[in-house]
Amino acid sequence: RKEVEQDPGPFNVPEGATVAFNCTYSNSASQSFFWYRQDCRKEPKLLMSVYSSGNEDGRFTAQLNRASQYISLLIRDSKLSDSATYLCAVRRSTLGRLYFGRGTQLTVWP
Amino acid sequence: SQTIHQWPATLVQPVGSPLSLECTVEGTSNPNLYWYRQAAGRGLQLLFYSVGIGQISSEVPQNLSASRPQDRQFILSSKKLLLSDSGFYLCAWSTGFRGARNQPQHFGDGTRLSIL
Repeated sequence: RKEVEQDPGPFNVPEGATVAFNCTYSNSASQSFFWYRQDCRKEPKLLMSVYSSGNEDGRFTAQLNRASQYISLLIRDSKLSDSATYLCAVRRSTLGRLYFGRGTQLTVWP
Repeated sequence: SQTIHQWPATLVQPVGSPLSLECTVEGTSNPNLYWYRQAAGRGLQLLFYSVGIGQISSEVPQNLSASRPQDRQFILSSKKLLLSDSGFYLCAWSTGFRGARNQPQHFGDGTRLSIL
């Protein structure tokens, strides 16, 4: 079983829509969780960390469900500029390597 | 603030030629360093990571190697490139401070390598 699994999409949504991505992880001892955004032909950039109590950054909300071993990313009021691939990442231990999902492709259309 | 530099941005090499990609980090000490490859339309594949000078862990056996001659320098090499080595190569760093919690990785701009 893969360490991290994501639905690859693609998700095609109109501007203003709300869209949610999930990412499941296999190791119940995982400690750190992140969402990255990768634009076409660019490097992944950190979008936000995911905290146990859930956290919000503007239109973006990240949540962690330890019991079911998944993290989620909710994007409200989608903008054209949100079109990108969103990767989740999970770390088992404090300083260990990150395990990345393959990414979910989002296209927001006008 | 910390920055990561990776070069070159693009590279076209013939099959069988050698390779050297360099990555340096500024503004931090004793970082953890990583080399990833991303093939077209594929996910990130971790190739090597290093927790200190001269300490290299290999994730995938292949014709690539990595070295860390200085604390903030990480080099990816090959003696003979294969067609399958084409891809987007990314260097990344994260803090090596043991007291740190929930620290992400930060990526360089990447090198797009095409093998002809």
